[in-house]
Amino acid sequence: GEDVEQSLFLSVREGDSSVINCTYTDSSSTYLYWYKQEPGAGLQLLTYIFSNMDMKQDQRLTVLLNKKDKHLSLRIADTQTGDSAIYFCACGGYNKLIFGAGTRLAVHP
Amino acid sequence: NAGVTQTPKFQVLKTGQSMTLQCAQDMNHEYMSWYRQDPGMGLRLIHYSVGAGITDQGEVPNGYNVSRSTTEDFPLRLLSAAPSQTSVYFCASSLGRNNEKLFFGSGTQLSVL
Repeated sequence: GEDVEQSLFLSVREGDSSVINCTYTDSSSTYLYWYKQEPGAGLQLLTYIFSNMDMKQDQRLTVLLNKKDKHLSLRIADTQTGDSAIYFCACGGYNKLIFGAGTRLAVHP
Repeated sequence: NAGVTQTPKFQVLKTGQSMTLQCAQDMNHEYMSWYRQDPGMGLRLIHYSVGAGITDQGEVPNGYNVSRSTTEDFPLRLLSAAPSQTSVYFCASSLGRNNEKLFFGSGTQLSVL
């Protein structure tokens, strides 16, 4: 079946940039998403990119999509302690969204 | 605006017991779905519905039933709970059928002993 892979853990210093990477297998994905999960909460949509785009910027967030390599990344500029959470990459289209296992981002002083 | 509401937040069952996880949304969303979240495995789709009266299976449907009698509600039933169903369950909804902008509930943590 389709698969989405992410590294499980990332540690960064406060103020630095964080880059979370994701690879996927479903080349028919219409949308590619980044969700954020804080402790004890459900997932919250952070940002998304259409499959015909290469880059999307939204304030501190930059999403890069390399369709040829099926690689998606999320860059968080000026990472803050409030950014500590689990970040999920998700890909899919009609009726079906496949999630990665999530990357736990730890921000330290 | 409540969004997606799940109840209960926590539940402990004995093997073989049955129960229903409730999910309701007040956003008039057409699409609703149930996921389970297990450590290191991300979220896996159990069942989904594209509208009242319509349901379909996701990736891991065995042991679970759903129904969609109204637009607002999408309950998930465990007919005979098994320890393998110990997980965190999330209900999600979106306006359209194309999965964009899923809104998630806060989850139900289920333990089956």
